[in-house]
Amino acid sequence: DGGITQSPKYLFRKEGQNVTLSCEQNLNHDAMYWYRQDPGQGLRLIYYSQIVNDFQKGDIAEGYSVSREKKESFPLTVTSAQKNPTAFYLCASKGPLNNSPLHFGNGTRLTVT
Amino acid sequence: AQSVTQPDIHITVSEGASLELRCNYSYGATPYLFWYVQSPGQGLQLLLKYFSGDTLVQGIKGFEAEFKRSQSSFNLRKPSVHWSDAAEYFCAVEKKSSGDKLTFGTGTRLAVRP
Repeated sequence: DGGITQSPKYLFRKEGQNVTLSCEQNLNHDAMYWYRQDPGQGLRLIYYSQIVNDFQKGDIAEGYSVSREKKESFPLTVTSAQKNPTAFYLCASKGPLNNSPLHFGNGTRLTVT
Repeated sequence: AQSVTQPDIHITVSEGASLELRCNYSYGATPYLFWYVQSPGQGLQLLLKYFSGDTLVQGIKGFEAEFKRSQSSFNLRKPSVHWSDAAEYFCAVEKKSSGDKLTFGTGTRLAVRP
């Protein structure tokens, strides 16, 4: 079945460490997205990529980095510069039409202590 | 700036009762409109979407939504709620010229009383 796989589901890190969250899709979608979800704040866009080897900052990109070396993969690195990294992170992809909906993975809950 | 408002943070309804979740947006023109549902610890699943045409759209799981241009609203409805509908619901909008960026509301958490 086609879909988006995020791993791991739960991730624990010490403050000051960088951590990379994985996102893989087999939907053959060009566009991929990373969102952060915090209680009461909905989803906020971190980074997005509309094509391989290209990506743009979203609304809250500071302290994060991404790469898009392959169409299927869009890993997110949470760096030590991110002041409040504990959150639920959601990866999504989008089909080719302008009005295609987002397809979401099941998320990674990151806890930094 | 564009925005999406879901004024109800929490709603509790009895099983079998009707449901309406509110969503208002502020844009210069009619955007693409979506409703998503999220179960705890999971990703978001698309319920329905509106692009143009008939202002009443049908979605999965018995949900429907009505676009009202005059009120800049896209409220989600269900005639009879089931216990399995307990989840968080997000309204989202995409400006037609935005280059694929969605803006989400802050969500409404639905609880269902037996």
